Amino acid sequence: AQKVTQAQTEISVVEKEDVTLDCVYETRDTTYYLFWYKQPPSGELVFLIRRNSFDEQNEISGRYSWNFQKSTSSFNFTITASQVVDSAVYFCALSESGYALNFGKGTSLLVTP
Amino acid sequence: AAGVIQSPRHLIKEKRETATLKCYPIPRHDTVYWYQQGPGQDPQFLISFYEKMQSDKGSIPDRFSAQQFSDYHSELNMSSLELGDSALYFCASSSGGEGARLYNEQFFGPGTRLTVL
Repeated sequence: AQKVTQAQTEISVVEKEDVTLDCVYETRDTTYYLFWYKQPPSGELVFLIRRNSFDEQNEISGRYSWNFQKSTSSFNFTITASQVVDSAVYFCALSESGYALNFGKGTSLLVTP
Repeated sequence: AAGVIQSPRHLIKEKRETATLKCYPIPRHDTVYWYQQGPGQDPQFLISFYEKMQSDKGSIPDRFSAQQFSDYHSELNMSSLELGDSALYFCASSSGGEGARLYNEQFFGPGTRLTVL
């Protein structure tokens, strides 16, 4: 069963729009980690953020922000004032008890000028 | 800062051939993970090693094997290659140990793109 669900397969926005990528996860562990990775067309996986299950503080890094809500098992990612360079596939991932990452299917974001 | 090194970056093989992918973790990292990402797919965990011992196993085919050597580098050996093995193979490393598992920061290499013709 898929442990990480990214319901949005593709999103297309116009530059400067805000966009939120949804991530819902499933786990029975009390200790787990959630991640977001960016994969540009060149193929590498770029680490964006890691959040552990005990830290529900939201985080902002420049135009990026993350909203972690254990009550709804969600870890959503918002890009403010999107730019063409944000075009990529974004993966949400879950690691239970510090083991291998379970990735969602990814959301392909296209930002057009 | 030193990153995870993977070689080769690109590899083209024929069906039924063998391939060996190499991964050099970040210095002082003792845990290595292998992931396979098919075209348009999400990365899938294959196998991991901690201190040269297999620590976790995912969806690795029986035709594949892997090991971690005394210098902590790892090799993924793939035999009887099939068209469906064409994928991007990522290696990630982390600093292991039970305490580190709780911290679990995995650093990914650039990947090896394998094409099977």
